Amino acid sequence: DTAVSQTPKYLVTQMGNDKSIKCEQNLGHDTMYWYKQDSKKFLKIMFSYNNKELIINETVPNRFSPKSPDKAHLNLHINSLELGDSAVYFCASSQRYRPPAFFGQGTRLTVV
Amino acid sequence: QQQVKQSPQSLIVQKGGISIINCAYENTAFDYFPWYQQFPGKGPALLIAIRPDVSEKKEGRFTISFNKSAKQFSLHIMDSQPGDSATYFCAASRPMRGTNAGKSTFGDGTTLTVKP
Repeated sequence: DTAVSQTPKYLVTQMGNDKSIKCEQNLGHDTMYWYKQDSKKFLKIMFSYNNKELIINETVPNRFSPKSPDKAHLNLHINSLELGDSAVYFCASSQRYRPPAFFGQGTRLTVV
Repeated sequence: QQQVKQSPQSLIVQKGGISIINCAYENTAFDYFPWYQQFPGKGPALLIAIRPDVSEKKEGRFTISFNKSAKQFSLHIMDSQPGDSATYFCAASRPMRGTNAGKSTFGDGTTLTVKP
């Protein structure tokens, strides 16, 4: 069983579209994250949730909205996609408030 | 302001050699320092981590050295193998309570190539 699973793995879409990425963890962790990795491999935190509560909200455009229906799921919805949103997005989880311990395989988003 | 500076950007080592990657941080509020290993097409994986009250931590061929006064820490990979070829990230994390609890700031990564 995959510890942290993201879907889809690849996402190609046109500018202006709205898309969602889903993440689920089966580790019983309380804290989940979204990270963005750009073409230079820089990793930047976007959001973190602890038991469905938003903890960290970095300077991310309002077009990005995370949603955590329960502590095992953290989804990311992106409105009005722009070329600059092209990147790999990673979901991660950890025990309560700890740094990320397990990452998903990533979702490669390409905006054309 | 780059809070965690990682060097070198890339590193080539012969099989059996020692790989050394360095990181420096600025914010003394950080209290946990993990290292991650990332293979192409995969998510980062937590490799080893240290707290600032310890100067060294070893797990197999991987060792973290920590210098609190200099605000520096490094990853040493002993007897480097071609299978160690990956991108390595250091990180510094805030305490688990208070503002931005557990927030991790990553270094820019080091691409390690171990030649056979």
